[in-house]
Amino acid sequence: GENVEQHPSTLSVQEGDSAVIKCTYSDSASNYFPWYKQELGKRPQLIIDIRSNVGEKKDQRIAVTLNKTAKHFSLHITETQPEDSAVYFCAAGGYGQNFVFGPGTRLSVLP
Amino acid sequence: NAGVTQTPKFRILKIGQSMTLQCAQDMNHNYMYWYRQDPGMGLKLIYYSVGAGITDKGEVPNGYNVSRSTTEDFPLRLELAAPSQTSVYFCASRVSSPTDTQYFGPGTRLTVL
Repeated sequence: GENVEQHPSTLSVQEGDSAVIKCTYSDSASNYFPWYKQELGKRPQLIIDIRSNVGEKKDQRIAVTLNKTAKHFSLHITETQPEDSAVYFCAAGGYGQNFVFGPGTRLSVLP
Repeated sequence: NAGVTQTPKFRILKIGQSMTLQCAQDMNHNYMYWYRQDPGMGLKLIYYSVGAGITDKGEVPNGYNVSRSTTEDFPLRLELAAPSQTSVYFCASRVSSPTDTQYFGPGTRLTVL
């Protein structure tokens, strides 16, 4: 089955700097890769996603890149702000497959 | 649309007690899921359903049961609660077309003492 690894497990950045979180997956059949943000005590919320037929997707300060050959995808957050502090989860899956989540990255943005 | 709703928000159980966590969605999604999230950890799939009358085990099904008699409702039953079941439980539903998006409920925080 699918296995998703995520690095780093914790990340601290200064406000205004960029943050990058990387995930790798094992099942080449996976074709959909969402990223979720979970604030303390809240539910995971979808922030961006990418399909396997796209190499990069951007939405304001966040972007996701996908390398199908290497089976890895990354979340990029630019101009980080204190409200970006949260736990971020990547996931891999696709039609007919359950999502498998990574273990999460705790991002702290220091003022 | 209310989206995905869960009740209760909090619950404390004694060892050996049973309870049902309720989950409902009003988006007419076929796929529904139950996850547990232990403190500081990721999401583990307990059970899932691809439609009314169809359920299947996920990664950590022991100690739980589910049913799916309607598209809207997907309750999770805990029998003989154990301290290891102390966790936050999230229900989710999923639409596969045109996007493959999963929506989470607000969660139920369960403590077993």
